[in-house]
Amino acid sequence: AQKITQTQPGMFVQEKEAVTLDCTYDTSDPSYGLFWYKQPSSGEMIFLIYQGSYDQQNATEGRYSLNFQKARKSANLVISASQLGDSAMYFCAMRETSYDKVIFGPGTSLSVIP
Amino acid sequence: ETGVTQTPRHLVMGMTNKKSLKCEQHLGHNAMYWYKQSAKKPLELMFVYSLEERVENNSVPSRFSPECPNSSHLFLHLHTLQPEDSALYLCASSQDSNPEVGRSYNEQFFGPGTRLTVL
Repeated sequence: AQKITQTQPGMFVQEKEAVTLDCTYDTSDPSYGLFWYKQPSSGEMIFLIYQGSYDQQNATEGRYSLNFQKARKSANLVISASQLGDSAMYFCAMRETSYDKVIFGPGTSLSVIP
Repeated sequence: ETGVTQTPRHLVMGMTNKKSLKCEQHLGHNAMYWYKQSAKKPLELMFVYSLEERVENNSVPSRFSPECPNSSHLFLHLHTLQPEDSALYLCASSQDSNPEVGRSYNEQFFGPGTRLTVL
């Protein structure tokens, strides 16, 4: 079974609009960490935001925020005020306490339209 | 140099060649990783080194051979590869807070990758 699911293979958003990229995960560990990475066409993976399973508040980093719904096992990324430079692949990832690896989802391709 | 660097950025090799990919991190981290990213497939973890010792080997074929001579350098030696090994190979590093078991939630910093084509 997939540990990380990203159901949107491709998304379009108008410049300056907000967009939500979906991520659901599967774990039985009570303690885990969730990450979002951005991968532009150049190939480099860029860390965006982190959410710990015990964090009480949703993580925010500038224009990025993570809508963490623990009971639903979802960790959606919200990008506010989209910019053309936001066009890239976005990967959701998880690291569990009992499983040392970081597991990546299949990714969502985001295209920002001028 | 800052962050994580990888060389070469592009590599084309025949199936009988031997080549090596190099990764260097300038962040003072204690863990390093090799990932393979093929088209239309999730990122696949290949190897994990924590404190220069291999802690993870994800059933990777023996034609891929990692080497971690120190905490700043990681190599991936390639020999007799197959065309299906063509992919983007990404190196990453992180600072593990519990390096003996390689566990932490610290984010991984990635290099720009080596795009490998096997003819």
